[in-house]
Amino acid sequence: QVNLLQSGAALVKPGASVKLSCKASGYTFTDYYIHWVKQSHGKSLEWIGYINPNSGYTNYNEKFKSKATLTVDKSTNTAYMELSRLTSEDSATYYCTRDSGGDFDYWGQGVMVTVSS
Amino acid sequence: DIQMTQSPASLSASLEEIVTITCQASQDIGNWLSWYQQKPGKSPQLLIYGATSLADGVPSRFSGSRSGTQYSLKISRLQVEDIGIYYCLQAYSAPPWTFGGGTKLELK
Repeated sequence: QVNLLQSGAALVKPGASVKLSCKASGYTFTDYYIHWVKQSHGKSLEWIGYINPNSGYTNYNEKFKSKATLTVDKSTNTAYMELSRLTSEDSATYYCTRDSGGDFDYWGQGVMVTVSS
Repeated sequence: DIQMTQSPASLSASLEEIVTITCQASQDIGNWLSWYQQKPGKSPQLLIYGATSLADGVPSRFSGSRSGTQYSLKISRLQVEDIGIYYCLQAYSAPPWTFGGGTKLELK
């Protein structure tokens, strides 16, 4: 069965970076794009960007272009998102999700990032 | 970017009641519209894709429809387990993918 397993919650200091992981299983990793979505507390969902695990091609929401960097490791079927120069505005839950042709059919369990000194 | 205006923002309904949630697209998006349910503390789950197709394992009381640029999610007979927040997502003019603002569904 398809599963996207995300890394655990992170507490990071302002100005620092954090790298989140999303390990895929139950399907051929390189056959589906992986997207990342942000959900601030009590707010709606925001699309951050996606990566093609086969080619490494990425596309970002303009809002997150200088904030997020998406990568993959095909040897471990893992997608990563690094968030840089963190501020309190980056405190949120982040999800990875699989693209099944425009819609998102499987989601990771989410990882809460808290930015605090 | 295409804007998705979702309504209502919150909704209180009784068990077995019919519930309808709508998303209005700012321009034509064809059938590139999906619906998601998010239960408290959980990840979103796909309910409807292609505006009207039911995702695997989703109860048949959920249905999606389209009228022009207005999209609707209908729950035919509300159950306790349907409580949560519902989101629409457009993928026509993507990137960027854009979500609606969400509808919080509660029991009356």
